[in-house]
Amino acid sequence: ILNVEQSPQSLHVQEGDSTNFTCSFPSSNFYALHWYRWETAKSPEALFVMTLNGDEKKKGRISATLNTKEGYSYLYIKGSQPEDSATYLCAHPHDTGNQFYFGTGTSLTVIP
Amino acid sequence: KAGVTQTPRYLIKTRGQQVTLSCSPISGHRSVSWYQQTPGQGLQFLFEYFSETQRNKGNFPGRFSGRQFSNSRSEMNVSTLELGDSALYLCASSIRTSGTFEQFFGPGTRLTVL
Repeated sequence: ILNVEQSPQSLHVQEGDSTNFTCSFPSSNFYALHWYRWETAKSPEALFVMTLNGDEKKKGRISATLNTKEGYSYLYIKGSQPEDSATYLCAHPHDTGNQFYFGTGTSLTVIP
Repeated sequence: KAGVTQTPRYLIKTRGQQVTLSCSPISGHRSVSWYQQTPGQGLQFLFEYFSETQRNKGNFPGRFSGRQFSNSRSEMNVSTLELGDSALYLCASSIRTSGTFEQFFGPGTRLTVL
């Protein structure tokens, strides 16, 4: 079993604030790190797939970085908007296959 | 392209019954994975099917089983339901990309066991 941890568990920010949260995973046997956004009553939606140490990915106001040597990834949201309210999940595959270990997620609420 | 569909969306059963959930992957995707989410837990991996064969299995009792058909549609079955089986069950279809798998999730089936 692979231990994937996310912090904080929940976060409330004001509209316009920037925020970030963390995903930690074992640094040995790294394969990939996936970020998902999961809005209430919808399906989890893939945000980023990160595979290389030092990777930085960006999609609009959301970006992510990866440090495989120390076993963490950060997700940043710049200028949070109410539509960013969701649970953000990270996942690490067991190996090169399709068995993923998910963190418990960070629940973000953006207050208008 | 149509997304991943799951049926039914909601289900209420009583202890001891069995249940079958269905998942239709994105056209062309041959891998289907199943996950369970209970309150306070992350998504827990149940099993993965590829080309009608179970390729990976998570740490769940034998009451949880699945299968995949030649058209890649998958079903999971839970026998002798327990209260603790109440959960959201998600399936995901996958394609291989950049040395890993990209997963596309369905909306889930909410199972309540009374």
